[in-house]
Amino acid sequence: DIVMTQTPLSLSVTPGQPASISCKSSQSLLHSDGKTYLYWYLQKPGQPPQLLIYEVSNRFSGVPDRFSGSGSGTDFTLKISRVEAEDVGVYYCMQTIQPFTFGPGTKVDIK
Amino acid sequence: QVQLVQSGAEVKKPGASVKVSCKASGYTFISYGIHWVRQAPGQRLEWMGWIGAANGNTRYSQKFQGTVTITRDTSASTAYMELSSLRSEDTAVYYCARGPGYWGQGTLVTVSS
Repeated sequence: DIVMTQTPLSLSVTPGQPASISCKSSQSLLHSDGKTYLYWYLQKPGQPPQLLIYEVSNRFSGVPDRFSGSGSGTDFTLKISRVEAEDVGVYYCMQTIQPFTFGPGTKVDIK
Repeated sequence: QVQLVQSGAEVKKPGASVKVSCKASGYTFISYGIHWVRQAPGQRLEWMGWIGAANGNTRYSQKFQGTVTITRDTSASTAYMELSSLRSEDTAVYYCARGPGYWGQGTLVTVSS
C-alpha cells in the first residue's frame, strides 16, 4: 500500500496568519491518465471529513479561496493564506491510486 | 443535494456481526459507487472497500478481505457494509462516501463484552 506521511502533526496558528501542511507519499500519485489523485480534507470534531481540495489543486464546491493545494509526484502542500477560527480541526491528505490511504492527520488549533 | 444517511449506533459483542446501512438521495444512485471508510479512536482514516452501485462489483482492502461484505439495494438507493467476527479493535466510526466529496454522518460501532 502507498504510505502517506504529513508534517507537522500539530500546528498552532494566530488568526490571520498563513499555515502550511506537507504531505508525502511513498509512491508517485501520478496516474497513467495524467491526473494526480491527491486530496485534502478537514475534519471537525464529531463530523465526517469534508473535502477541501481534489486532484492536488482544485478547490471543492464551496471551499473558500484561502485554501490552496500544490505539488506533484510524491510531495504535496496545503496552504491556508489567512487562518480563521473556523479552520480548526484535523487536516488529512488522501491518495486514491491503489488502494485509498490517508495521512495521519495534522491537528490545527488557534493560538 | 447529495445526501448519505447512515443507520444508527450499534453495540455488539465480540464475535458478532454488524450491518450498517447508507441511504443515498439527491442523485441517481446507480451512477456512482459507494466507499466505506472507518476511523478507530486515535487512528487514521482507513479505507475498507467499495461497491459499484450499477453492477454490484466490489473491491476490498486486503486487510478486510474475508470479514467485510459490501452490498447494495438499488430499489432502496442504499448500500450496506457488514463486518463479521467483530473484535474490540473494530470499535470505530464507520463512514460511507460517494467518491471523495460526499460522506455520510458516520455510524459508531462499539464492540464490547
